[in-house]
Amino acid sequence: DAGVIQSPRHEVTEMGQEVTLRCKPISGHDYLFWYRQTMMRGLELLIYFNNNVPIDDSGMPEDRFSAKMPNASFSTLKIQPSEPRDSAVYFCASSFRRHSGNTIYFGEGSWLTVV
Amino acid sequence: DAKTTQPPSMDCAEGRAANLPCNHSTISGNEYVYWYRQIHSQGPQYIIHGLKNNETNEMASLIITEDRKSSTLILPHATLRDTAVYYCIVRVPLEGSQGNLIFGKGTKLSVKP
Repeated sequence: DAGVIQSPRHEVTEMGQEVTLRCKPISGHDYLFWYRQTMMRGLELLIYFNNNVPIDDSGMPEDRFSAKMPNASFSTLKIQPSEPRDSAVYFCASSFRRHSGNTIYFGEGSWLTVV
Repeated sequence: DAKTTQPPSMDCAEGRAANLPCNHSTISGNEYVYWYRQIHSQGPQYIIHGLKNNETNEMASLIITEDRKSSTLILPHATLRDTAVYYCIVRVPLEGSQGNLIFGKGTKLSVKP
């Protein structure tokens, strides 16, 4: 089976530009998570969805960040306007509630650099 | 804050068993112990999980103490490709926000030839 698919893998953008990161979860999974990883703060949970509905967005750093899940096979994380401190690796992950242990599987990440 | 304590780094000789400890003295009765690892430049990878019994799969073994306050991940024959940061996480897999993965700093395992 294909794993969690993220795009783009790498993005370099100028400060003030809009950035959209995309995620396709594993087919059949009903939970989707967005994480961010930096050297200073490690891996942080930003937001997660259950059955396409945002459940907890308390980790979203500020209003410049927004996430949507229009259907079960697609999610976006948008940053508008972007700032240099948003430079990080953004991971999408998914899981299926009824699987033993509800294991969470991660994508390979989107490496964002804002200059 | 993460509910686990791990040594920041460990070394292991190639071909030997790597034993990675984790302390989770405040674990609740319904919380599972999960292990993930992150190889440089890749996403976190699930390894194994358990509640109270020891578990084994094709990647590793998980030994959980009887009081569940600590556990050990065992890689039986470490290879250079096992060099990674290993995260021990406790969570309730089906309970809302408690079921999310909260990552600590992990243990950086270096496997040396």
